[in-house]
Amino acid sequence: DARVTQTPRDKVTEMGQEVTMRCQPILGHNTVFWYRQTMMQGLELLAYFRNRAPLDDSGMPKDRFSAEMPDATLATLKIQPSEPRDSAVYFCASGLGDYGNTGELFFGEGSRLTVL
Amino acid sequence: RKEVEQDPGPFNVPEGATVAFNCTYSNSASQSFFWYRQDCRKEPKLLMSVYSSGNEDGRFTAQLNRASQYISLLIRDSKLSDSATYLCVVPSTSGTYKYIFGTGTRLKVLA
Repeated sequence: DARVTQTPRDKVTEMGQEVTMRCQPILGHNTVFWYRQTMMQGLELLAYFRNRAPLDDSGMPKDRFSAEMPDATLATLKIQPSEPRDSAVYFCASGLGDYGNTGELFFGEGSRLTVL
Repeated sequence: RKEVEQDPGPFNVPEGATVAFNCTYSNSASQSFFWYRQDCRKEPKLLMSVYSSGNEDGRFTAQLNRASQYISLLIRDSKLSDSATYLCVVPSTSGTYKYIFGTGTRLKVLA
């Protein structure tokens, strides 16, 4: 069963520390999304890629967040330095984003981040 | 107007009831819409797509009203297992392949 894999599942860290979250999209999917979910804001789009190229990261605080796709099997989201307000569940999702075909997004199980 | 808006609920309904949620969107050019379901502490999963002609899957019916720019989800004969948060998804006004999720409507089906 093809699935999106995210690591770590849970992370507790101290304020100021660097956090890196990783995502392996489903093989063959050409769009990858990073979302952040909190009780207050719901699912917020942070960044997304098509064919590994970043298309939009306007939802991401640029001073501390960065998102990359070093290859087709790996997407990373890095926070440096982390702050307590970054505490949330971070989801990666992948899909087939052909023009005119806004198909299903497949989500990973999420990375639950707690910054103390 | 926000790109997508949903009533957060919660909707508390008895088993067997019919319940409907609406979701308004701002991008009049949007062609495709989706309903996702998210169980507590789990990832969102696609429930159904919303076509211009409507879409029905068992007890679930999704419809699109372009004139008023909203999509709806109707659940008939509610089951306890339908308790979840239902998220509507619309294409963004700013970017192809960019999906915007509503904040979700929480449904609780009571025995």
